[in-house]
Amino acid sequence: DSGVTQTPKHLITATGQRVTLRCSPRSGDLSVYWYQQSLDQGLQFLIHYYNGEERAKGNILERFSAQQFPDLHSELNLSSLELGDSALYFCASSAAGTGVVTQYFGPGTRLLVL
Amino acid sequence: AQSVSQHNHHVILSEAASLELGCNYSYGGTVNLFWYVQYPGQHLQLLLKYFSGDPLVKGIKGFEAEFIKSKFSFNLRKPSVQWSDTAEYFCAVMGSNDYKLSFGAGTTVTVRA
Repeated sequence: DSGVTQTPKHLITATGQRVTLRCSPRSGDLSVYWYQQSLDQGLQFLIHYYNGEERAKGNILERFSAQQFPDLHSELNLSSLELGDSALYFCASSAAGTGVVTQYFGPGTRLLVL
Repeated sequence: AQSVSQHNHHVILSEAASLELGCNYSYGGTVNLFWYVQYPGQHLQLLLKYFSGDPLVKGIKGFEAEFIKSKFSFNLRKPSVQWSDTAEYFCAVMGSNDYKLSFGAGTTVTVRA
């Protein structure tokens, strides 16, 4: 157990819908990262938040957005869902924003868009 | 741009055999290197990491990796695998002033009992 929690574990929804994935970082960690794992793209970095502020964006679609709240939990919002958005979404956390840090991953949310 | 290449897509071996998984990276600067493992149905777990110092790094569960700067490689090894090592293994790179991990495509390792 890494100490990073994610909910829900599984999510099944239809195309065009909107979902919210939730992540709670390890105690004391200020950074939250979101990654997408799909069969065709592999593991891809989506977005990074540090202490409530967006630090960097990776391969994140405009239909996707995220935020980090004052209690440091983060939510990833996926809207206008398409079949291709079906994937495993991981959250990771680390103590700092940049530099020599280790990211610890949560169990992931498996999203299936039908 | 950073890129990570894992040479083997799927490796099948018997218990007690030795394992070596290749990883090469492309990055124009100082890097930090990681190997993560994903057991079936589970999340990514850190096996080992290299930040600086001794290029031979020992991790959990008997795994080790060697950083060879001249070859831009960070290969993972285990002298004698067990059935429980069946998993997917990911090599990842992070620039020293970076924030994100860039992952390789992963290598699926199947260990036959």
